[in-house]
Amino acid sequence: DQQVKQNSPSLSVQEGRISILNCDYTNSMFDYFLWYKKYPAEGPTFLISISSIKDKNEDGRFTVFLNKSAKHLSLHIVPSQPGDSAVYFCAASGGANNLFFGTGTRLTVIP
Amino acid sequence: NAGVMQNPRHLVRRRGQEARLRCSPMKGHSHVYWYRQLPEEGLKFMVYLQKENIIDESGMPKERFSAEFPKEGPSILRIQQVVRGDSAAYFCASSPRQGTYEQYFGPGTRLTVT
Repeated sequence: DQQVKQNSPSLSVQEGRISILNCDYTNSMFDYFLWYKKYPAEGPTFLISISSIKDKNEDGRFTVFLNKSAKHLSLHIVPSQPGDSAVYFCAASGGANNLFFGTGTRLTVIP
Repeated sequence: NAGVMQNPRHLVRRRGQEARLRCSPMKGHSHVYWYRQLPEEGLKFMVYLQKENIIDESGMPKERFSAEFPKEGPSILRIQQVVRGDSAAYFCASSPRQGTYEQYFGPGTRLTVT
């Protein structure tokens, strides 16, 4: 039962443009959401997070938007850079014991 | 290196052997989580430990898998009598205290069962 879904396995974007990665969830008890970035043969690296009491959180080029009524969140990267090319995982928590991960979206930023 | 450390990075075991995966959390972190990633899938939670305590093992298979986090030394994930289906990347994460949502991951151990 996949409680966190990333329906786009891959995304290609031109350098300098905006990358938008999407994530949907089914469990209304989730109260905290995170995005991780993963390079091959490395562990996931924490990028940015958002609490369910907010609808937006921004950190430099990265902004996460949360739409609770739609059970949807998105990560915006602008401007996109070639070094952003990686797999991005959305994760959700309902109590801080464990994270539920999506299946990931592979972002390719084309120079 | 102040990050989460895992060893070995790669482990090859024949069917029926035992696999031991080690994880040292970030300095100052006392909470450890183990996740498994099968090919083309996301990470799946296995177990959450604090020093000398298993807090949540709801994601652990009921047989052959065990985990510990002793008072001294790294956390160990142990898989007995490995089968081909155990081949995966195993990631350890740590956090500083309960109630902290952000978890910081190690580089993972890639287990291959032949």
